[in-house]
Amino acid sequence: KQEVTQIPAALSVPEGENLVLNCSFTDSAIYNLQWFRQDPGKGLTSLLLIQSSQREQTSGRLNASLDKSSGRSTLYIAASQPGDSATYLCADAAGGTSYGKLTFGQGTILTVHP
Amino acid sequence: EPEVTQTPSHQVTQMGQEVILRCVPISNHLYFYWYRQILGQKVEFLVSFYNNEISEKSEIFDDQFSVERPDGSNFTLKIRSTKLEDSAMYFCASRERTSEETQYFGPGTRLLVL
Repeated sequence: KQEVTQIPAALSVPEGENLVLNCSFTDSAIYNLQWFRQDPGKGLTSLLLIQSSQREQTSGRLNASLDKSSGRSTLYIAASQPGDSATYLCADAAGGTSYGKLTFGQGTILTVHP
Repeated sequence: EPEVTQTPSHQVTQMGQEVILRCVPISNHLYFYWYRQILGQKVEFLVSFYNNEISEKSEIFDDQFSVERPDGSNFTLKIRSTKLEDSAMYFCASRERTSEETQYFGPGTRLLVL
């Protein structure tokens, strides 16, 4: 059974810092890995998707990497801003006979203070 | 930009009552999902739906749950006899075709069972 773990559980940084969020998964037979943002009491906003054949994806100040062999993904946020404060979730889409169901980590709660 | 919509945003019900949660996936998408998030816990997969039938379900998705696509636009989750432990945020998601593509999530329905 796939398990997804995120470290750290919470992170508080001053504005302007670069930071890295970590995600690990136990089964490397995945189709892709997605990073989401969740604001309190709200839905999930997709940030980046990395296909299983890719190593990284970039969108603005966000860069996500994927190392299937080691079962790890990282989300790098450059020049953090208070508006980046949210919970960040990683989820992988199961391979094999699965219809792409996502298995989520528990999230990293990010606080960026001015 | 097309988006997944869900209604209602909040629902309060009495234990033992039936509830129907509604979702309108993105119009050209073929795969549909329901997930739930109990307060403070991970987002969990419930069921996937393709070609008018369930393609995969989790152990959470027991006989009390059912899904339906009654017309060309709506996708519903029914809980026949709600329990206290069904209280959660329920998310609908859809994706276009392949498992390598992004799943887009709706804003969620917060269900409270009293």
